[in-house]
Amino acid sequence: QSALTQPRSVSGSPGQSVTISCTGTSSDIGGYNFVSWYQQHPGTAPKLMIYDVTKRPSGVPDRFSGSKSGNTASLTISGLQAEDEADYYCCSNAGSYTAWVFGGGTKLTVL
Amino acid sequence: QLQLQESGPGLVKPSETLSLTCTVSGDSVTSATFYWGWIRQPPGEGLEWIGSIYYSGNTYYNPSLKSRVTISVDTSKDQFSLKMTSVTAADTAVYYCARHRLGGSSRWFGPWGQGTLVTVSS
Repeated sequence: QSALTQPRSVSGSPGQSVTISCTGTSSDIGGYNFVSWYQQHPGTAPKLMIYDVTKRPSGVPDRFSGSKSGNTASLTISGLQAEDEADYYCCSNAGSYTAWVFGGGTKLTVL
Repeated sequence: QLQLQESGPGLVKPSETLSLTCTVSGDSVTSATFYWGWIRQPPGEGLEWIGSIYYSGNTYYNPSLKSRVTISVDTSKDQFSLKMTSVTAADTAVYYCARHRLGGSSRWFGPWGQGTLVTVSS
């Protein structure tokens, strides 16, 4: 199983919206509706932000939303805030219901 | 509130075995619908799923690591453990443990432990 493909970096100004893509294959993203997204600030553990493609855990602002089309999943952050600056990782089932693969990560910079 | 804490040696010699334990508090490892997983992150790199275990002992492993990895669970202590044999410098990473939702119609990792850096060096 290969890592999912994410852009290395994206940026946006406060108040703007940004979208981070996560591209896989029909054996992972395209084959399951189990994409999740994680936010990681420097030196800290990842935090679940989106699961099952579009669902948001309790406590995560509704500025964060997820979607999927074919073999590509996306995380959109609207109304960017300074505290959104972090690394973001996507994750999906891969090859079977019992294997998991992450993306390489995207660094979000809030200008 | 559920918390996970990794523990184990921070330095392992090449060719030896890496051993880590994750202690769960605020919940039980016997919680239904949840597995318990290990994920690692080499310095400056992305995340890699290592494997996950259910309290019954059922395990799933990353195919690329399966030959070197064993994950076990101790329900009496609410702990689960990772053993990785024949380590090399490429296994140097921050190792995280996390609750892994792997039942019903939902799949995700969370929460995560704070992580522990394991360096492979002589």
